[in-house]
Amino acid sequence: QVALKESGPALVKPTQTLTLTCTFSGFSLSTSGMRVSWIRQPPGKALEWLARIDWDDDKFYSTSLKTRLTISKDTSKNQVVLTLTNVDPVDTATYYCVRMARREDYFDYWGQGTLVTVSS
Amino acid sequence: IVLTQSPGSLSLSPGERATLSCRASQTVNSNYLAWYQQKPGQAPRLLIYGAFSRATGIPDRFSGSGSGTDFTLTISRLEPEDFAVYYCQQYGSSPYTFGQGTKLEIK
Repeated sequence: QVALKESGPALVKPTQTLTLTCTFSGFSLSTSGMRVSWIRQPPGKALEWLARIDWDDDKFYSTSLKTRLTISKDTSKNQVVLTLTNVDPVDTATYYCVRMARREDYFDYWGQGTLVTVSS
Repeated sequence: IVLTQSPGSLSLSPGERATLSCRASQTVNSNYLAWYQQKPGQAPRLLIYGAFSRATGIPDRFSGSGSGTDFTLTISRLEPEDFAVYYCQQYGSSPYTFGQGTKLEIK
C-alpha cells in the first residue's frame, strides 16, 4: 500500500534554510507517470501547492516561491527532498508530501504532514 | 486561477443534505476539479476528481457536479463523520490552486 512520511526540523530560525525529506513506499518514482508534490498549510489556513517532481526529473514550482524552493529525488532511497531558503515566520505551516495520480494532476495519497515553526 | 468556496461555514444536522460551492475565476480546463475532506489534525483526503468521479472507497453519498467555472460537492445524507473542512482544487492550469475551504459543522 502507498504511504508517505515527512521528516525534518520542527523549529527553524528566520533566514535559515529548511530541508524536508519525504520517504515513501508502495510506488517508485522511477515508474513512468509517477509524480510527487509538496503542499503546505499555515495553521488555520488553506492549502498551498509548493513544488512537484516527476519520474523523469522534471521539476515545477509555485510562482511566488520559485526563487526559494528546490525539489529533488533519490530514487534508490524512495525519497523526495524539499528545501526552502531564507525562511520567515510566514513560512510556519504543516508541510505535506503528496503523491499525484498518474494521468491527472490531483493528489491521491497524502503524508501525515510535519509542522514547521519559524521563530527566533 | 482563484477558487472561491461558499459558504465559508455551514451548520447542518446529521441526515440533512449539504451543498458546497466552488467558483473559479477562469474556466477550469477539462473540468479538472477535485474535492478533499480534512478533519482536525489530519491530512486532507481525496473525495472527488475530474469534477464528478469518486475516489476509491468514497461512499456514494458524496457526489460532485458542475463544469466551466461553477462546481458543487453534494453530500446527500450527512453522517456524523462527514463534519469537517472541505477544499476544492483545480489542476487544469499551472499552478495548482485550492479554495479557502468550507467548514461543515454539526447543528
